[in-house]
Amino acid sequence: DAGVIQSPRHEVTEMGQEVTLRCKPISGHNSLFWYRQTMMRGLELLIYFNNNVPIDDSGMPEDRFSAKMPNASFSTLKIQPSEPRDSAVYFCASRNAGRNTGELFFGEGSRLTVL
Amino acid sequence: DAKTTQPTSMDCAEGRAANLPCNHSTISGNEYVYWYRQIHSQGPQYIIHGLKNNETNEMASLIITEDRKSSTLILPHATLRDTAVYYCIVRVAGNNDMRFGAGTRLTVKP
Repeated sequence: DAGVIQSPRHEVTEMGQEVTLRCKPISGHNSLFWYRQTMMRGLELLIYFNNNVPIDDSGMPEDRFSAKMPNASFSTLKIQPSEPRDSAVYFCASRNAGRNTGELFFGEGSRLTVL
Repeated sequence: DAKTTQPTSMDCAEGRAANLPCNHSTISGNEYVYWYRQIHSQGPQYIIHGLKNNETNEMASLIITEDRKSSTLILPHATLRDTAVYYCIVRVAGNNDMRFGAGTRLTVKP
């Protein structure tokens, strides 16, 4: 089975540019999560969706960050404008919310460097 | 969800059992204990979870104390590939809010 697929794997951009990270969850999973990981702050939950609807975006750092899930098989995390402090590894994860104890499956991450 | 406390780091000799403790003294009756691990530069990987009974799968065993205030993840025969950060998370079943702490950095040495 294909796992959670993220793209791009690596992105280097300049401050002020727009960044779009993409995620394809595992087929049949109806919950999707975006995490950010840095050395200083560890693994932070940014936002999660149930059935394509954003449920909790309290972890989104500020208005420069936005996430969408237009359908069950695709989600984006956008940063506009990007800043050097946004440099991190961004992980997407999915799970089957119908199973109460269903585990999260993570993608391989998108490493973002903002110069 | 209840908070968890884990040691910052641990070492283990290759081939020996690795026992990783987790304290969750404020756990409530409907909260499960989950363990994940993250090998360097990869996404976290699910290992095991339990409510109150001990659990075992192909990766590890989970021992939960009778009062449920602490648990231990056991890797029976640690290999070098088990070197990773191990996260203990307590979560209400059905709650999608899965938040990771700092975890324990396990180093398996030859």
